[in-house]
Amino acid sequence: EIVLTQSPGTLSLSPGERATLSCRASQSVSSSYLAWYQQKPGQAPRLLIYGASSRATGIPDRFSGSGSGTDFTLTISRLEPEDFAVYYCQQYGSSPQAFGQGTRLEIK
Amino acid sequence: EVQLVESGGVVVQPGGSLRLSCAASGFTFDDYTMHWVRQAPGKGLEWVSLISWDGGSTYYADSVKGRFTISRDNSKNSLYLQMNSLRTEDTALYYCAKGVGDGWNPFDYWGQGTLVTVSS
Repeated sequence: EIVLTQSPGTLSLSPGERATLSCRASQSVSSSYLAWYQQKPGQAPRLLIYGASSRATGIPDRFSGSGSGTDFTLTISRLEPEDFAVYYCQQYGSSPQAFGQGTRLEIK
Repeated sequence: EVQLVESGGVVVQPGGSLRLSCAASGFTFDDYTMHWVRQAPGKGLEWVSLISWDGGSTYYADSVKGRFTISRDNSKNSLYLQMNSLRTEDTALYYCAKGVGDGWNPFDYWGQGTLVTVSS
């Protein structure tokens, strides 16, 4: 079973700043089957990144993903007000699939 | 437009049973793997189960294995989750989610969820 650990738990930044979110896996994620989701209060999650680095349809290019093996990163180059939310990583390459515990991105 | 609409969430006593449903529209349902994901109040996401396009393959989280059963009826464009021996820790908002394709893929569409509360 792969366990995903996200850091930091909470990230406080201002609009216009760069955000770097980390996701570390307890063992290698096969074929980079790693995704990132954004969730706002009262809403379902939204797919941002899949295959570790591919943007989903309609996702702005300020969102980027990188990494392989056990270490993955979501970067938001310049924060917009609508980007403040909770972010989850997910491994979907093996069962049981798993989500990280989430990183809350809050306005400083 | 892709739509996923969950139903069936209620208040149930510990040890009870419940069946959740998810009605799908706007896409060719039997081309895609489908999933259930849950979120306890104020907590993170937990993957629960998946079913392949034809129902031939199913997988479960360890926390629900042996108690929950996922199924689908492609003729009705519907996904189900039979939940037995419910525990208080099963209390959560249950989402139905669509895989990007068949097989091992992320989830590109989610429903709005149905709330299951397990309490005496």
